[in-house]
Amino acid sequence: KQEVTQIPAALSVPEGENLVLNCSFTDSAIYNLQWFRQDPGKGLTSLLLIQSSQREQTSGRLNASLDKSSGRSTLYIAASQPGDSATYLCAVSGGTSYGKLTFGQGTILTVHP
Amino acid sequence: DARVTQTPRHKVTEMGQEVTMRCQPILGHNTVFWYRQTMMQGLELLAYFRNRAPLDDSGMPKDRFSAEMPDATLATLKIQPSEPRDSAVYFCASGLVVLSGSGNTIYFGEGSWLTVV
Repeated sequence: KQEVTQIPAALSVPEGENLVLNCSFTDSAIYNLQWFRQDPGKGLTSLLLIQSSQREQTSGRLNASLDKSSGRSTLYIAASQPGDSATYLCAVSGGTSYGKLTFGQGTILTVHP
Repeated sequence: DARVTQTPRHKVTEMGQEVTMRCQPILGHNTVFWYRQTMMQGLELLAYFRNRAPLDDSGMPKDRFSAEMPDATLATLKIQPSEPRDSAVYFCASGLVVLSGSGNTIYFGEGSWLTVV
């Protein structure tokens, strides 16, 4: 059974810092990995999707990497802003049940001015 | 701007009552998911459909929960009878899931916030 772990559970940083969120998964037979953002009282917004054959994806100040063999992904946020404060969730799609996502517990990020 | 639409957004009901949540997936998406989110368990998959056919509902308590897709524009999740432990946020999500090529991004609705008292 796939298990996804995110570290740290919470992170508080001053504005402007670069930061890294970590995600690990136990079964490397994944189809893809997605990073989501969730604001309080809201649904999940997809930030980046990395196919299993890819190593990284970039969108603006966000960069996500994937090392499938070691079961790890990182989300790098450059020059953090207070508006980045949210919960960040990592989810993997299994190789035999494509589309079905297994989620980590999330990292609660607070960026203070 | 295409999005997944869920109703109701908020629901407070008494224990034992029936609750029906509805979801309109994004047009053209072939896969629809129901997830439940709680503080303790995080996001759990309840059921999902591909091309309206149920693929996996192993995450759902079968005695009280049921999920259906009467047509391509509507998915429903029903709880009967509801219990206080069902209090959670229920998310519907949809995606165009294919075996090869790019894509497979899953889009979530805003959720149905259920409180059973």
